[in-house]
This record gives sequence, structure tokens and C-alpha cells, in this order.
Amino acid sequence: EPEVTQTPSHQVTQMGQEVILRCVPISNHLYFYWYRQILGQKVEFLVSFYNNEISEKSEIFDDQFSVERPDGSNFTLKIRSTKLEDSAMYFCASRGDRGYNEQFFGPGTRLTVL
Amino acid sequence: GENVEQHPSTLSVQEGDSAVIKCTYSDSASNYFPWYKQELGKRPQLIIDIRSNVGEKKDQRIAVTLNKTAKHFSLHITETQPEDSAVYFCAATLSYNTDKLIFGTGTRLQVFP
Repeated sequence: EPEVTQTPSHQVTQMGQEVILRCVPISNHLYFYWYRQILGQKVEFLVSFYNNEISEKSEIFDDQFSVERPDGSNFTLKIRSTKLEDSAMYFCASRGDRGYNEQFFGPGTRLTVL
Repeated sequence: GENVEQHPSTLSVQEGDSAVIKCTYSDSASNYFPWYKQELGKRPQLIIDIRSNVGEKKDQRIAVTLNKTAKHFSLHITETQPEDSAVYFCAATLSYNTDKLIFGTGTRLQVFP
């Protein structure tokens, strides 16, 4: 069964550094998402992406965040200048076409900002 | 505002008993309600979902019920097994023109053998 994949599984960075989290959605999916989960808390929506543009973003997704689909398979989340409070598990998700609601989650990237 | 409330935060049951987790949502236009199971350090995995035009859905030991009038939905697990132990999250899409998922705060279910 096809799965969403993410790399790296764990990223440690210094405060102020840029990080890029990578995701490979399921190949025929059209809708892409990033969520984050601070340790012990609920999953929070960051951004959705369709047709090469952002569909919706949350208040968390400020100017320090950006997303890109640089080619036909990857979907990336960039944090330009990381803060301590960016430490969390970041999940990528993807969904099929319009009539299909289910979002499939990747295994996550644990980001630790020191 | 955008909110999904979930109760209880923890639930302990004996193997073989039933477990019920409840969620309420704020927007009457919400139309999709998935339930995710998350084991420690793993990704959320969809276990069952329901759309707003259906009142109940069942898949083996798992069922979800939806009360649109009261704006709440519940997960029912029967004949619980130790491997059902995990954190369960409800979620909802809060209106017709968005597909972002708003998650509840999670329920840690422990099934004791």
C-alpha cells in the first residue's frame, strides 16, 4: 500500500538556523498538508497546498514558514529562522482528488531546536 | 471559533470491555469527521470516518456515531484488546469550503489485560 514518506526522521538545529523538511506524498494525490504536534499535545494544522499554491494557512504559518513543490514528487516545508518553540513533530499529509476526504499522514519529522 | 473538544483525556478499561470517546464541534457546517489512532512516536492513522449525511458507521469492533443537531460525534470500541492502547484523536473539517482538519485534544486509552 502506498505511503507518505518524510525525511529526515529527526532534525536537530540551532536557534536561528534554517531547516527544510521533506515529504513525498502518495503519487496520485493532489492535495498536500503540513501539520505539527508539540510533544504531548494535539495535532495542529499549518498549511494546505493544491495546484502549486497555498490553499489555506493557519496563524502558526507566519512569514518564517514557506512550502514548495519543487518537482513532481517532493513537497517541502522551510522554516527560515527557527525558534525554540518550533520544536515539534511535523507531519506531512496528502489526499486524493476532490471527492475523497481521507488524509494520509507521513511518519513525521521530529524537529529539535536548541 | 474553530474548536473540537474531546473527552475524556484518559480512559482505562479492562480487556473485553467497551470504550467510548466523545467529541463536540462548533461549526454546524462541518461535514467530515475522522478518527485517528496514534501509537507512541508513530504517525496518526485513520481508523474510521463519517460524513455529515450519515448517522452511524461501523467497521468490525469500531463504530462512530454522529449527532448533527447536538454537534457531537463519538467513537465506540467494543471487545477492547491490549493492542487498542494508544492515543485517539477526533477531528473535523469545520465548513464546506475548507479541508483542513481541526483535531481534538486526544484521549489516551489504556486496555489492561
